[in-house]
Amino acid sequence: DTGVSQDPRHKITKRGQNVTFRCDPISEHNRLYWYRQTLGQGPEFLTYFQNEAQLEKSRLLSDRFSAERPKGSFSTLEIQRTEQGDSAMYLCASSLAVSEGAGDTQYFGPGTRLTVL
Amino acid sequence: AQTVTQSQPEMSVQEAETVTLSCTYDTSENNYYLFWYKQPPSRQMILVIRQEAYKQQNATENRFSVNFQKAAKSFSLKISDSQLGDTAMYFCAFMKRGAYNTDKLIFGTGTRLQVFP
Repeated sequence: DTGVSQDPRHKITKRGQNVTFRCDPISEHNRLYWYRQTLGQGPEFLTYFQNEAQLEKSRLLSDRFSAERPKGSFSTLEIQRTEQGDSAMYLCASSLAVSEGAGDTQYFGPGTRLTVL
Repeated sequence: AQTVTQSQPEMSVQEAETVTLSCTYDTSENNYYLFWYKQPPSRQMILVIRQEAYKQQNATENRFSVNFQKAAKSFSLKISDSQLGDTAMYFCAFMKRGAYNTDKLIFGTGTRLQVFP
């Protein structure tokens, strides 16, 4: 399957613990996005990579959150000292940028559901 | 800042009938893209249809079509011949167009569509 994959699919943790999620984009895609979706809401943008460069971070991404995309392939999203308010679905999406501002279609992964107790 | 509003939290339709989901948005941009994404229960989000704001012709994809009213900032989705597999959460999304944009999606809160036999 060549779609976007995310691991783990579910994560339950205790408040104060650190968690890390992984996203594997579609192999030739150069852009990768992280979104967060809470219950009853649409996804909200967190951060974006073009190849290995992190080009934008939302104000939603506090200093407890860090994301990386080494070598422009898979990406990781780490949350340190988790809080109950971090409970959400974390979605990854990837796209192939053919030109600037072309509105390329984003393909989403199945998400990682985080529950912080 | 751009906002997307979906005023119908839930909709239902009988199989083979037609249903229209509403979406309005607010932006000062002239060039942008609009999307409808579908999120089936426990499955990943997939693109249903997209519209470039500079195109006057409404986009169509098989049973799915949009009514794009740029002046009114309205972007509704019409599903014809509804099928049980159309049961899902539907999200309307906005993306700015132009160079040096991240192409991040701004989502509405979604409309839950139930198709009944």
